[in-house]
Amino acid sequence: NAGVTQTPKFRVLKTGQSMTLLCAQDMNHEYMYWYRQDPGMGLRLIHYSVGEGTTAKGEVPDGYNVSRLKKQNFLLGLESAAPSQTSVYFCAITRQGVAGELFFGEGSRLTVL
Amino acid sequence: QQQVKQSPQSLIVQKGGISIINCAYENTAFDYFPWYQQFPGKGPALLIAIRPDVSEKKEGRFTISFNKSAKQFSLHIMDSQPGDSATYFCAASSPQGAQKLVFGQGTRLTINP
Repeated sequence: NAGVTQTPKFRVLKTGQSMTLLCAQDMNHEYMYWYRQDPGMGLRLIHYSVGEGTTAKGEVPDGYNVSRLKKQNFLLGLESAAPSQTSVYFCAITRQGVAGELFFGEGSRLTVL
Repeated sequence: QQQVKQSPQSLIVQKGGISIINCAYENTAFDYFPWYQQFPGKGPALLIAIRPDVSEKKEGRFTISFNKSAKQFSLHIMDSQPGDSATYFCAASSPQGAQKLVFGQGTRLTINP
């Protein structure tokens, strides 16, 4: 029972390249979130999903796209990576109706050169 | 706009001492205030949480104090131990909006043996 699994864990990109981060959960939770963590900035919400086939923008959505074609998977895409997107990305999940109790993955460290 | 402001950014405490981390929020619609603990290379994990209908919640050595009128809440770690060394995030959520959490900037706590 892995809970929340993020792949890849590390990636180095050149400016302008594209990539996709995958979040997979085995807890059957409805809500999924993508956060980015930067020093001194805490965790900021990029996009989130309240169920299969739904997505919504968070606090810092520009430059990112997401998809949730299956309930257990939430994908975060960077179409044209920029150095400002160098960060640690965290996926989190929670059950509907349970406020604040997020389960996080272990993070994906992305460096854009 | 940072809706939850956390201080200090870093904190060093001697073993056995009391660690205190403070947070202030702006949105009076927030009704759930969790604290998360994060160890290096790991995702944040829920530590303790409080709702605004109580002024204090204690779980072992960890206590949340809540001041609704001042829109402030704090985490107290009694008898701090080296194993408590981690980054701590306060957060808040409102009933509206898919249970999204807004995080503070984080506090890196170091407990010296």
